[in-house]
Amino acid sequence: AQSVTQLDSHVSVSEGTPVLLRCNYSSSYSPSLFWYVQHPNKGLQLLLKYTSAATLVKGINGFEAEFKKSETSFHLTKPSAHMSDAAEYFCVVKTSYDKVIFGPGTSLSVIP
Amino acid sequence: SAVISQKPSRDICQRGTSLTIQCQVDSQVTMMFWYRQQPGQSLTLIATANQGSEATYESGFVIDKFPISRPNLTFSTLTVSNMSPEDSSIYLCSSSSGSHEQYFGPGTRLTVT
Repeated sequence: AQSVTQLDSHVSVSEGTPVLLRCNYSSSYSPSLFWYVQHPNKGLQLLLKYTSAATLVKGINGFEAEFKKSETSFHLTKPSAHMSDAAEYFCVVKTSYDKVIFGPGTSLSVIP
Repeated sequence: SAVISQKPSRDICQRGTSLTIQCQVDSQVTMMFWYRQQPGQSLTLIATANQGSEATYESGFVIDKFPISRPNLTFSTLTVSNMSPEDSSIYLCSSSSGSHEQYFGPGTRLTVT
């Protein structure tokens, strides 16, 4: 069965410093993985996706994630945090029936 | 990417009543999904709605409480029946059409008093 773990419920960074949001997955086959962002009182926006092509995936707003099969990880990074990045981030794995499973989420705070 | 709208965007309802949430997609899609996001929590899948067949419910969710309709390839409704304060959540719909990702509506914020 597939599952997703987000290792940090909350991450706080200073503006202009790197962002690292950690995600580990469990899947019995090669997974499709996604990162979504949810700003306060807004809908969910797809940041990026991995679907068995290049292991380093670039997304919107300067975010990227690297799929590491040996570590079963799909961590989200950004070189320099911006105030507008403050939001809730969800790591998501697709199951074999077109359904997805959401991780518990990581709340990112950006300190000016 | 699909653009999804939901109505209403928010509502405050009395316990014991029902609310029907509408979800409209700007293109034909094969699969639509309904999620619940309780306060401060992640998203939990309620059911999968396929056109022309009964919705498929996840463990812990039943048709009597959350009846779903899917009359065509662009529209679905979710009804929250006999509401209690524990039903206060954000309800989101999403769509998928053969690609890997799902696209989400803005959500319906429900408060039950």
